[in-house]
Amino acid sequence: DTGVSQNPRHKITKRGQNVTFRCDPISEHNRLYWYRQTLGQGPEFLTYFQNEAQLEKSRLLSDRFSAERPKGSFSTLEIQRTEQGDSAMYLCASSFLNLERDRGRDGYTFGSGTRLTVV
Amino acid sequence: DQQVKQNSPSLSVQEGRISILNCDYTNSMFDYFLWYKKYPAEGPTFLISISSIKDKNEDGRFTVFLNKSAKHLSLHIVPSQPGDSAVYFCAASESSGSARQLTFGSGTQLTVLP
Repeated sequence: DTGVSQNPRHKITKRGQNVTFRCDPISEHNRLYWYRQTLGQGPEFLTYFQNEAQLEKSRLLSDRFSAERPKGSFSTLEIQRTEQGDSAMYLCASSFLNLERDRGRDGYTFGSGTRLTVV
Repeated sequence: DQQVKQNSPSLSVQEGRISILNCDYTNSMFDYFLWYKKYPAEGPTFLISISSIKDKNEDGRFTVFLNKSAKHLSLHIVPSQPGDSAVYFCAASESSGSARQLTFGSGTQLTVLP
């Protein structure tokens, strides 16, 4: 297992188009997170899944955003009717169920991200 | 309202000297703190963490100090190496939060000069 994989690495799209990103987490991790990072800022939480269930969504996740994790494996993040303000790095991360078990040893494992540019 | 703040956007240090990166937080419910390092075109990688029941955690060249009364933590890197040049993010979470979501600061760009 080579870690968390995200595709594509870069995406340029015209305003109003729909885009979909994919994340493949570490296979034994059952929690999967999506974060967004804009220039000069730290990552901001968007949503997370425990297995296939989406358990929490940030207010940043407008109704144009939808995330899925069918069968509790890979996840997709779709943005409909993209706007220029959606331009950002979208980061996926995965972890074990219980972060306490990994305290002092590990935090999340992040992927390299998908950089979205809306023109 | 930024709950985790890194007030220094950048820091330059000579190789071999100590690097000290600072982080302040406002949410008293935070009880677990982490530092991540990020190189360009890569995702953040976990560096070191500390629970609120401790005031210090050490891992090799990296030490994190936590001052709960001041709501302040710092990361010390000794000795600094050119390969440490990266953006460092401070992050925090609440045990009571179901998501274990992390709240990140805006990062500090560390440059270690040879």
